[in-house]
Amino acid sequence: SQKIEQNSEALNIQEGKTATLTCNYTNYSPAYLQWYRQDPGRGPVFLLLIRENEKEKRKERLKVTFDTTLKQSLFHITASQPADSATYLCALDGTSGTYKYIFGTGTRLKVLA
Amino acid sequence: DARVTQTPRHKVTEMGQEVTMRCQPILGHNTVFWYRQTMMQGLELLAYFRNRAPLDDSGMPKDRFSAEMPDATLATLKIQPSEPRDSAVYFCASGLREANSPLHFGNGTRLTVT
Repeated sequence: SQKIEQNSEALNIQEGKTATLTCNYTNYSPAYLQWYRQDPGRGPVFLLLIRENEKEKRKERLKVTFDTTLKQSLFHITASQPADSATYLCALDGTSGTYKYIFGTGTRLKVLA
Repeated sequence: DARVTQTPRHKVTEMGQEVTMRCQPILGHNTVFWYRQTMMQGLELLAYFRNRAPLDDSGMPKDRFSAEMPDATLATLKIQPSEPRDSAVYFCASGLREANSPLHFGNGTRLTVT
């Protein structure tokens, strides 16, 4: 069956450290993978998109990797801050190349001051 | 700053009642999505439209749910009759037609069916 798995347990890290979140998928062949941030009571907000032929993408303190062999994406936040505390969701095009985005269940990140 | 607007933000209703949720997509976006979020299932895609025509509504229970776009500035999601298991947060999102474009989400309608 098709699955997108993110660590359902909350991730607590100390301020200033690098947070690494994982997104694993099964029985999908995505052309694109996106990461979103969601705060309580709000809708998800887009952060980064990476294409299947890209290994890595960066934006300020954020870095995303995409390994289509391992069927995995890693999302890194360097020099983490308490303001980075939120739930982070990965999403992929469930039918390759279409706009039918399927989301993982998200990982809650808490950055401790 | 353009944003997706959803109304109402909260809705409490009794089982069996009709519920209508509304969404105003970002002007110029031609693709509109409806997602439902629960603790157990996460964010599930119910349906999406392009240029007001349904492209995929396979995630939507057809017997009680319906989604329409009467015009380019309004999308609706209706549940009739509502059931307690429909309690969730319903999100609308809009985007440009390319699959490599981000989705822009509204802040959702929190539905409670008692």
